[in-house]
Amino acid sequence: DTEVTQTPKHLVMGMTNKKSLKCEQHMGHRAMYWYKQKAKKPPELMFVYSYEKLSINESVPSRFSPECPNSSLLNLHLHALQPEDSALYLCASSPHRELSAEQFFGPGTRLTVL
Amino acid sequence: AQSVTQLGSHVSVSEGALVLLRCNYSSSVPPYLFWYVQYPNQGLQLLLKYTSAATLVKGINGFEAEFKKSETSFHLTKPSAHMSDAAEYFCAVNVAAGNMLTFGGGTRLMVKP
Repeated sequence: DTEVTQTPKHLVMGMTNKKSLKCEQHMGHRAMYWYKQKAKKPPELMFVYSYEKLSINESVPSRFSPECPNSSLLNLHLHALQPEDSALYLCASSPHRELSAEQFFGPGTRLTVL
Repeated sequence: AQSVTQLGSHVSVSEGALVLLRCNYSSSVPPYLFWYVQYPNQGLQLLLKYTSAATLVKGINGFEAEFKKSETSFHLTKPSAHMSDAAEYFCAVNVAAGNMLTFGGGTRLMVKP
């Protein structure tokens, strides 16, 4: 299994809702990432997990809460989002955090906040 | 600090023509460079990467890139464009802090029949 899966594919939520995005990989990778991508822009790094511990938080607002329950699973909990948070949320994984390591990306979750 | 600049946000070529997508990097240390492709409504897929083993790197789908230190460039080429190559292409550099990619602004490749 050489892929990263993300669910759901699409999500529409109101500003008062609580929802979660899920990311899964079974490649034995020890580093996992969340990116946010606005239309016609490159991905922007949000969080990095290394060996199931949060190692990088790129000053992301607290309405986004990541969680790594185990080495294969990464969640992003969403609460009280704003319309400007509407974007494609991409998950990625890599074998380790060496500079040469390729990141494998999932297909993303398209989030719309009303 | 490391960064990459992609020259040309849109590139249009005819089917069968040469594809050239430009990427220049800025780095105080030898960089690790990547080219990713993103098809509409999909995630990113790695085309190729430079990790100092060889300056000419061959990737998937007939793409290749040449690392030129003197020009601080890592341009992506393909001899003959195919309609299926139409997509967004991102050049990225790895930041020294530990596998944190910094992406260029992206280049949308359009292929005309």
